[in-house]
Amino acid sequence: EIVLTQSPGTLSLSPGERATLSCRASQRLSSGYLAWYQQRPGQAPRLLIYGASNRATGIPDRFSGSGSGTDFTLTISRLEPEDFAVYSCQQYGYSPNTFGQGTKVEIK
Amino acid sequence: EVQLVESGGGVVRPGGSLRLSCAASGFTFNNYAMSWVRQAPGKGLEWVSGINWGGGTTVYADSVKGRFTISRDNAKNSLYLQMNSLRAEDTALYHCARNDGAVAGPSDYWGQGTLVTVSS
Repeated sequence: EIVLTQSPGTLSLSPGERATLSCRASQRLSSGYLAWYQQRPGQAPRLLIYGASNRATGIPDRFSGSGSGTDFTLTISRLEPEDFAVYSCQQYGYSPNTFGQGTKVEIK
Repeated sequence: EVQLVESGGGVVRPGGSLRLSCAASGFTFNNYAMSWVRQAPGKGLEWVSGINWGGGTTVYADSVKGRFTISRDNAKNSLYLQMNSLRAEDTALYHCARNDGAVAGPSDYWGQGTLVTVSS
């Protein structure tokens, strides 16, 4: 199965700053079949990005995804208070789907 | 409004069985593939199983293959996960999720989850 490695494990930033999260796959992902999710404490995951760079319905444009092959990035241009959460990447190009271990974005 | 509500979790001894259910509403259930995703306490998300719109295609994570069975009843707008031979490492919050696309697609709506605890 494909292993996704996210870095850093924790990102400490202030509101208004830019966040850059990384997701690296153990094999090249066909057609950029990579998604990003946000999970706030006590809540279900929320789909942010699919197809590596497409924002899901209702997702603010401060969230953007990029990358191809084995290296993918989620960028939050200016952190809002509600953006402090855990972010996970998922590949769905190869069966079984797999998730990364998550990156926690915390308030500095 | 799309809603997914899981039920059926609880405490079970190692080797035991549980059947999880997910009641779907707010969308045309038989148009979508569905998945089960779990999250062990303090850990990341783990995809468990997926099923296509008609139930004819199912996929499992290696960690549950041969022990878990996913199914659906489109007439009842319901998704199920039969879990047998449960192990301590199956302890987790189990979410059902709607797939945006195929069995392997990303999940665009999630339920709040039902907690399964495997302990003697």
